[in-house]
Amino acid sequence: GAVVSQHPSRVICKSGTSVKIECRSLDFQATTMFWYRQFPKKSLMLMATSNEGSKATYEQGVEKDKFLINHASLTLSTLTVTSAHPEDSSFYICSARGTKRGGYNEQFFGPGTRLTVL
Amino acid sequence: KNQVEQSPQSLIILEGKNCTLQCNYTVSPFSNLRWYKQDTGRGPVSLTIMTFSENTKSNGRYTATLDADTKQSSLHITASQLSDSASYICVVAAGNNRLAFGKGNQVVVIP
Repeated sequence: GAVVSQHPSRVICKSGTSVKIECRSLDFQATTMFWYRQFPKKSLMLMATSNEGSKATYEQGVEKDKFLINHASLTLSTLTVTSAHPEDSSFYICSARGTKRGGYNEQFFGPGTRLTVL
Repeated sequence: KNQVEQSPQSLIILEGKNCTLQCNYTVSPFSNLRWYKQDTGRGPVSLTIMTFSENTKSNGRYTATLDADTKQSSLHITASQLSDSASYICVVAAGNNRLAFGKGNQVVVIP
C-alpha cells in the first residue's frame, strides 16, 4: 500500500504555544488530504479536508482559526494548532487520497502525532 | 445519520484461537466497507476493502464478510497471534466518499 508519514510522532508543548504537524505522501501524489483527531478509546473524528492549492473545508464545530491547514503541494499538508491548550491534547492522524487504485478512492493513513499540551 | 456500530467493544482471546468481530451500519448510499487494524499509538492500517458486490475477502489470517442486504459485516481472525492485539475499526464509505468510522473492537490476545 501507499506510504504516508507524519512528523513529529510526538510533541509536548506549553499552553499558549503553536504546534505544526506535517503529513507527507511518500510514494504517490495526494490530491486530497484529511485531518482527524482521536481521543482515547474513541473513533477517528474528521476535522477538515484539504485539496491541494485550495482552502481546507472544516467540519462543523472545528475552529478554522485554531487549526490552520495548508496543502501547498501534492505531497505535503500541514496542520498548525495555534495557541494550544490542554484540551487540544489528542492523537492527530492525517490521511491522503490520490488516484483510484483498484477502483477505490482509498485513503492511506499516517502513523499519527501525539500532542500533549501542558 | 450515517452510523457504524461495532461489537463486542472489547474481547480477550487465547493465542491460537479464532474470533469474529461484528459491524452493523446504516450508511447510505453505500460505496464500500473497510476494516482497519490500529495498534496503540499508531495510525490505522487497511486490512480489507469490499464493495456491495463482494461477499467475502481475505488477507492472510483475516477474513471479512459483507451482507449488503442486512448491512452487516464481520471480520474473522484465524489462529490469533499476540501481534493481533489491536483495535479493529470498521469504516464505511458513503457515495460522496465521506467515511463513517466505528469505535473499534479492542482485541487482546493472551498467551
